[in-house]
Amino acid sequence: DAGITQSPRHKVTETGTPVTLRCHQTENHRYMYWYRQDPGHGLRLIHYSYGVKDTDKGEVSDGYSVSRSKTEDFLLTLESATSSQTSVYFCAISGRENTIYFGEGSWLTVV
Amino acid sequence: SQQGEEDPQALSIQEGENATMNCSYKTSINNLQWYRQNSGRGLVHLILIRSNEREKHSGRLRVTLDTSKKSSSLLITASRAADTASYFCATDAFVDNYGQNFVFGPGTRLSVLP
Repeated sequence: DAGITQSPRHKVTETGTPVTLRCHQTENHRYMYWYRQDPGHGLRLIHYSYGVKDTDKGEVSDGYSVSRSKTEDFLLTLESATSSQTSVYFCAISGRENTIYFGEGSWLTVV
Repeated sequence: SQQGEEDPQALSIQEGENATMNCSYKTSINNLQWYRQNSGRGLVHLILIRSNEREKHSGRLRVTLDTSKKSSSLLITASRAADTASYFCATDAFVDNYGQNFVFGPGTRLSVLP
């Protein structure tokens, strides 16, 4: 494992509620990413960060926000959860030679 | 649209046989990577091949890259039941001046039957 911890690992929430997923790394890597994985779509980039307080949007950023106040933590917030945001969310860091290391995933169900 | 597209979407073989998966991409790349994902788990890096390399080996894995055709293949030799997983290719894409993003295909689901 590359020292990436995601929390919570599983969550069921109601439509319209805010949800925050946390990614914590112990590798001191600069780049961190949030992806979502859905059947037939592979992994799609939501947001990424290239440093503390430096973030940018990915392919599917609508309805999501992120924050990175410390190198080790990258938070993904669903401002008002919708059923279309039911998915598996993966945090990743970019390591040596641009190899990506993934967390174990957070399963989110919006009912 | 996705940069990488794996082919086939699903592959079923007998233990001991070889498995070949292909990946096509659209734009120029610096490197291409293959990942494996077991059911319910995160993705695990298998191998990286740079744009100036044509072939790379790692244990039972062999990756080829043809930049003229914008395609790569992953060969798993002497497959085992434990190789059952989904396999993804990922290509890099520079975003502005701040770093790289990685674009994944939808994956090939490999089933190795005992």
